[in-house]
Amino acid sequence: SQTIHQWPATLVQPVGSPLSLECTVEGTSNPNLYWYRQAAGRGLQLLFYSVGIGQISSEVPQNLSASRPQDRQFILSSKKLLLSDSGFYLCAWPGQGGYTFGSGTRLTVV
Amino acid sequence: ILNVEQSPQSLHVQEGDSTNFTCSFPSSNFYALHWYRWETAKSPEALFVMTLNGDEKKKGRISATLNTKEGYSYLYIKGSQPEDSATYLCAFRVGSGNTGKLIFGQGTTLQVKP
Repeated sequence: SQTIHQWPATLVQPVGSPLSLECTVEGTSNPNLYWYRQAAGRGLQLLFYSVGIGQISSEVPQNLSASRPQDRQFILSSKKLLLSDSGFYLCAWPGQGGYTFGSGTRLTVV
Repeated sequence: ILNVEQSPQSLHVQEGDSTNFTCSFPSSNFYALHWYRWETAKSPEALFVMTLNGDEKKKGRISATLNTKEGYSYLYIKGSQPEDSATYLCAFRVGSGNTGKLIFGQGTTLQVKP
């Protein structure tokens, strides 16, 4: 069966520090993968999506970047976090019955 | 900019009440409309994927309808229970095949009081 793993679950980081969130999928090959964020009081916003290794599309201008070093691995990064990067980050994979989401990372930038 | 609108933003009902909410989306270039249920401290869970005009889908006490010509979908909950309390998200699929992606609405947060 297909599963999606995301970590860490929570993170408190100071402004200006780097960030690395990881998402891995199992049970499928060459999946499309997506990073979404829910900022406080807002809906789910698509940040990046990837259709394969090394292929990244950015949806909104921002302080973050994404990479797809392996088929089943999708990484969200930042060199220097801003307060506005705080939010709930979700990785997603599109299955037949809708997207499957990871368990999410609650990031608080202080 | 693609706009997916959900209303109302929040809803408080009593246990046993039936309720419904709306999702509005662009009526052109339609591929699919998704509904998700998002409980606090969990990840969103897929309820329905709807692709055809006039589609009606049902899962237990929850059902959804789709009108692609006018660009709206309704989600209905019959006889609401406290465990139905959650945020309900709709998402409009943009693009076909490998380049498809979902654009989400802001969600409707439902609170069912016992």
